[in-house]
Amino acid sequence: EAGVTQFPSHSVIEKGQTVTLRCDPISGHDNLYWYRRVMGKEIKFLLHFVKESKQDESGMPNNRFLAERTGGTYSTLKVQPAELEDSGVYFCASSTQVYETQYFGPGTRLLVL
Amino acid sequence: DQQVKQNSPSLSVQEGRISILNCDYTNSMFDYFLWYKKYPAEGPTFLISISSIKDKNEDGRFTVFLNKSAKHLSLHIVPSQPGDSAVYFCAASTSGTYKYIFGTGTRLKVLA
Repeated sequence: EAGVTQFPSHSVIEKGQTVTLRCDPISGHDNLYWYRRVMGKEIKFLLHFVKESKQDESGMPNNRFLAERTGGTYSTLKVQPAELEDSGVYFCASSTQVYETQYFGPGTRLLVL
Repeated sequence: DQQVKQNSPSLSVQEGRISILNCDYTNSMFDYFLWYKKYPAEGPTFLISISSIKDKNEDGRFTVFLNKSAKHLSLHIVPSQPGDSAVYFCAASTSGTYKYIFGTGTRLKVLA
């Protein structure tokens, strides 16, 4: 069974540009989560999808971040316009049920210059 | 305000000895706790979990202990192996939200 995959693995952009991160969850996992780790700090929750619906987006930093999950399969996280403080590693995770263990992808390392 | 704290940023242990990683939490509503292991340039990998109705859970060389009154959990690795060298994250969640609250991680180095 394939794990959670994320694309790209790395992205370097300039401040003010737009970046779109993609996450493909484990097949059949209705629950998809986005997290972010900034410079050696804790991994912080961003939002949670159940199928295509946003269940909890309490961790989204501001309206420069837009997450979508069309059709309840893969998800995208767009940052527009990117700021220096958006640099970090963005992780995606998925689970079958909300109370089941979340399995993480390898992350996308974003550097905003 | 950090609800899950891992106060030791790093730990070194000799191969074959016990590794003990600690985690403290402040939110008494947390009822599910997990440990994840993370190698460089990879995502966190699930290691072991425990629900608040238990005080111990074991899986091979890994045991997690939960002390609810002290709001403290620990991960014991016995015996430690060089391949265990990684960053270990403690996480907690509550029924109803299911988002994980992570600590800042402890870097374990097992010396051969």
